[in-house]
Amino acid sequence: DGGITQSPKYLFRKEGQNVTLSCEQNLNHDAMYWYRQDPGQGLRLIYYSQIVNDFQKGDIAEGYSVSREKKESFPLTVTSAQKNPTAFYLCASSLGTGGARNQPQHFGDGTRLSIL
Amino acid sequence: AQSVTQPDIHITVSEGASLELRCNYSYGATPYLFWYVQSPGQGLQLLLKYFSGDTLVQGIKGFEAEFKRSQSSFNLRKPSVHWSDAAEYFCAVGNNNDMRFGAGTRLTVKP
Repeated sequence: DGGITQSPKYLFRKEGQNVTLSCEQNLNHDAMYWYRQDPGQGLRLIYYSQIVNDFQKGDIAEGYSVSREKKESFPLTVTSAQKNPTAFYLCASSLGTGGARNQPQHFGDGTRLSIL
Repeated sequence: AQSVTQPDIHITVSEGASLELRCNYSYGATPYLFWYVQSPGQGLQLLLKYFSGDTLVQGIKGFEAEFKRSQSSFNLRKPSVHWSDAAEYFCAVGNNNDMRFGAGTRLTVKP
């Protein structure tokens, strides 16, 4: 079955540590997204990528970094510069062809990041 | 500025009762509209979408939504709620360059 796989499901970070969240899709989608979800705030866009080797900052990119070396993969690194990283992180993908961001997005099951 | 508002943070309905979840938006042109559902600890699942045409759209799990341009609304409805509908519901609004999600409405279903 096609879908999006996020790993790990739970992740713990020590102070001053970088951690990387994995996101893989086999839907052959061009566009991929990372969102942060906090209670009562909905989803906020961290980064998105519409094509391999290209990505754009979203609304809350500070303290995060991404790469898009393969169409299927869009890992997110939460750096030590992100002072409040505890949240639920969701990866999504969509057709997004031609730069359009209005296509329905397919979501993974998320990674919950906590600080030790 | 573009925005999406879900006025109700939490709604409780009895099983078998009807449901309406509200969504209002502020966008420059007719946007693309979506409703998603999220169960605890999981990702979002698309319930339905509106791009153009008939303003009443049918989705999965017996949900429907109506686009009302004059009210800038896209409310989600279900005639009879089941206990398994308890979840969080998100309205999303987009155009070619942007997509915004509402803060969500948490639905509790009473037996």
